Amino acid sequence: DIQLTQSPSSLSASVGDTVTITCRSSQDISIYLAWFQQRPGKAPRSLIYAASTLQNGVPSKFGGSGSGTDFTLTISSLQPEDSATYFCHQYNTYPFTFGGGTTVEI
Amino acid sequence: EVQLVQSGAELKKPGESLRISCKASGYTFTAYWISWVRQMPGKGLEWLGRIDPSDSHVNYSPSFQGHVTMSEDKATSTAYLQLSSLTASDTATYYCARLVGAMRIDYWGQGTLISVSS
Repeated sequence: DIQLTQSPSSLSASVGDTVTITCRSSQDISIYLAWFQQRPGKAPRSLIYAASTLQNGVPSKFGGSGSGTDFTLTISSLQPEDSATYFCHQYNTYPFTFGGGTTVEI
Repeated sequence: EVQLVQSGAELKKPGESLRISCKASGYTFTAYWISWVRQMPGKGLEWLGRIDPSDSHVNYSPSFQGHVTMSEDKATSTAYLQLSSLTASDTATYYCARLVGAMRIDYWGQGTLISVSS
């Protein structure tokens, strides 16, 4: 199975900051990577697919980049509601897999 | 509006079986695969597999093959996840999610918490 390694596992930031989360794949997955946000006690929410394409309705403060094995999620102008765990997810190779998550505390 | 509404939380005993439902609305049920994802308490997300509601074709993750069964009912636009011979390690929240192109997730259900305890 493809392993996805996220870093950092957690971070603390202030309102208005910009943060970057990385996701490294154990194999080349082209651009078949998605990012999800999960607030405490809630279901995940889709943010980005194809490494950099925003899901409908997701604000442009979220941005994704990368291809192959290295990917990043950038969140700008942090607000308290951005406190959540963020997961990357590869859908290039079956079985699809998820990263371990990065918890962002504001 | 696309919605995936899952059945409610359940408390089960070891050895029992259960079936979780995921009712789809707001789109053509047979046009999109449904996937199932597990999240154990305080842990990350795990892919269980996916089902094509148009023909009931299923792909299971090898890690879960034999322990879970996915099915669907076109008449009610509902997907199901069945777990058998439950153990405490099956305690988790289970999510259904819609797949675009049988690959990427766009919509998620609200989750179903399953607790297994004697």
